[in-house]
Amino acid sequence: GAGVSQSPSNKVTEKGKDVELRCDPISGHTALYWYRQSLGQGLEFLIYFQGNSAPDKSGLPSDRFSAERTGGSVSTLTIQRTQQEDSAVYLCASSTMLTETQYFGPGTRLLVL
Amino acid sequence: RKEVEQDPGPFNVPEGATVAFNCTYSNSASQSFFWYRQDCRKEPKLLMSVYSSGNEDGRFTAQLNRASQYISLLIRDSKLSDSATYLCVVKSNTGKLIFGQGTTLQVKP
Repeated sequence: GAGVSQSPSNKVTEKGKDVELRCDPISGHTALYWYRQSLGQGLEFLIYFQGNSAPDKSGLPSDRFSAERTGGSVSTLTIQRTQQEDSAVYLCASSTMLTETQYFGPGTRLLVL
Repeated sequence: RKEVEQDPGPFNVPEGATVAFNCTYSNSASQSFFWYRQDCRKEPKLLMSVYSSGNEDGRFTAQLNRASQYISLLIRDSKLSDSATYLCVVKSNTGKLIFGQGTTLQVKP
């Protein structure tokens, strides 16, 4: 069956540019998460959407980061005025309320030059 | 102090060895606990949930000690294919998952 998909798989951008990363969760999954993983580091929580509830944005590192989830499905993570320290793998995951298991997408590898 | 702490390793063990990983968490209100596995340059995948009574899945045994806020993973009869990073994961009462830094295991022939 279809898993979580993310696009693009790789993104190279110049410092100061804006980028948009997309996540398509598994159909029917009500919860969607964004994480960031820098080279050799653990996963850093960014934001969490659960159904129609207000998202938990407590992990967003600065106001340059924002995310939305339209129609309870697809989510977009936007990074404005990118900095070199934003270079990382951005992972999206989705889950149902019942199973709690998070299924991860393959990630978007972002490189800011 | 990090919310979830793990020894990053690496743990280098021979095939057939038994190896144990430990993890501590700081939030006593944490609800659920998991071990995820992450292969190099791949996304994390659920290995097993951790239950209060302890649970076993083949060669893998997970245990939880709520009083000490401590989680463990035991791997028996290590295989080359077990080489990966093992992530300790704690779910808070708000639904947010907190990942540890991960423990790297390298099983040698």
